[in-house]
Amino acid sequence: KQEVTQIPAALSVPEGENLVLNCSFTDSAIYNLQWFRQDPGKGLTSLLLIQSSQREQTSGRLNASLDKSSGRSTLYIAASQPGDSATYLCGSGTASKLTFGTGTRLQVTL
Amino acid sequence: EAQVTQNPRYLITVTGKKLTVTCSQNMNHEYMSWYRQDPGLGLRQIYYSMNVEVTDKGDVPEGYKVSRKEKRNFPLILESPSPNQTSLYFCASSFFDRGTEAFFGQGTRLTVV
Repeated sequence: KQEVTQIPAALSVPEGENLVLNCSFTDSAIYNLQWFRQDPGKGLTSLLLIQSSQREQTSGRLNASLDKSSGRSTLYIAASQPGDSATYLCGSGTASKLTFGTGTRLQVTL
Repeated sequence: EAQVTQNPRYLITVTGKKLTVTCSQNMNHEYMSWYRQDPGLGLRQIYYSMNVEVTDKGDVPEGYKVSRKEKRNFPLILESPSPNQTSLYFCASSFFDRGTEAFFGQGTRLTVV
C-alpha cells in the first residue's frame, strides 16, 4: 500500500527566500506525481504534474522534481511571496487514484 | 472553462437523514472519483468510476454509495449519515490515461450532528 510523507509539516519563511518542500512515497510503481496548493476553505489547485518518464517540471517560480528510484519528489519555490502562503499537497499514483501526503503548511511573512 | 463542480459547498445535516452531494465535470473525462479529507489523515479515496455504469470501492467506502448514469455526473450518496462522516469531500476527474492530470472540485464541507 502506497504511503506518502511530506516534510516539514509546517514552514515559515521571510518573503524573498527560496524554499524546498519534500514528498516521499513508498511504492515507486507510479504513473505520475502531482503537486497541489490548498488555500483555507478552498479546493485543490493543481500546480505541477510530473509523469513517471519525466524528471522535472517548471511553472514560473515553481520547479518540481521526481526521483522514482528513491521515492522522492521536491517542490522548489523561488523568491517566495506572501501570496504563496497555503498548504501544499503532493499526490502520487495514477490520475484515477492519487495517494496523498498530509501536506506542508507554508507561511511567507513580510 | 474546464472544471469540476460540486454542490453544495457547505452542508449541515442530522444523523440518519439521507443526502446527496453532486459532482459534474465538463471535460469528457472517463474517470471520476470521490475523496474525503480529514485532519492528520490527508485525502483518502472513497469510490471511483472508470466510466458510465462502472464503479468500484476506494480505500474508505463504508457508509457511502455512488452511481454513474451519465459520463459527466458522479453523485455521492450518504444514505444514513453519521457524525464520523463529518469531513471535507472532493470530487475529481481525469482522462483514462493513467499519467494524465487529475482535476479536483472546490470541495464540500459536510457536518453531521
